[in-house]
Amino acid sequence: GESVGLHLPTLSVQEGDNSIINCAYSNSASDYFIWYKQESGKGPQFIIDIRSNMDKRQGQRVTVLLNKTVKHLSLQIAATQPGDSAVYFCAENFGNEKLTFGTGTRLTIIP
Amino acid sequence: EPEVTQTPSHQVTQMGQEVILRCVPISNHLYFYWYRQILGQKVEFLVSFYNNEISEKSEIFDDQFSVERPDGSNFTLKIRSTKLEDSAMYFCASTGQGFGNTIYFGEGSWLTVV
Repeated sequence: GESVGLHLPTLSVQEGDNSIINCAYSNSASDYFIWYKQESGKGPQFIIDIRSNMDKRQGQRVTVLLNKTVKHLSLQIAATQPGDSAVYFCAENFGNEKLTFGTGTRLTIIP
Repeated sequence: EPEVTQTPSHQVTQMGQEVILRCVPISNHLYFYWYRQILGQKVEFLVSFYNNEISEKSEIFDDQFSVERPDGSNFTLKIRSTKLEDSAMYFCASTGQGFGNTIYFGEGSWLTVV
């Protein structure tokens, strides 16, 4: 079952610096991964996705890296801005209908 | 940009009462989902819906829960007899083509059961 009151990992980054958020996923059969951003009181907002046949994908200021060998996913945000402060979730999908979300990391951008 | 819209944004209900949460998915999407997030916890899958039937559901989605697409635009989640532990943020989501395509989430409906 789920733990009550999960303690979120936190990351504080100076504005303008780059940030790296890490995620360990659970299912070696997962073949589609997504990063979502969630601001307080709002729904998950899609950032970037990657399929298992890739190991890197770039978007605007964001890069996702996938290491299937160790089941690890990372999100790199370049030149962070105050608006990047949020909780970031990775989610995995293994060919069925549901996304399985990770615990989340709270990113705080220090002005 | 098209978005998933949800109503109400916040509802307070007495334990044992029925609640209906409403969602309008993105108009050309075919796959619909409900997720929930208990305060401070992960986002959890509840149910997926395609072609007017449930395609997958989690163990959370017991007989107290039901979903419906009553017309061409709305997608609802009904909780028949709410319990205190149903208090959570409920997110509706949709996607156009199912697996491997971007799933867009609504802003959520915050349900408080007292």
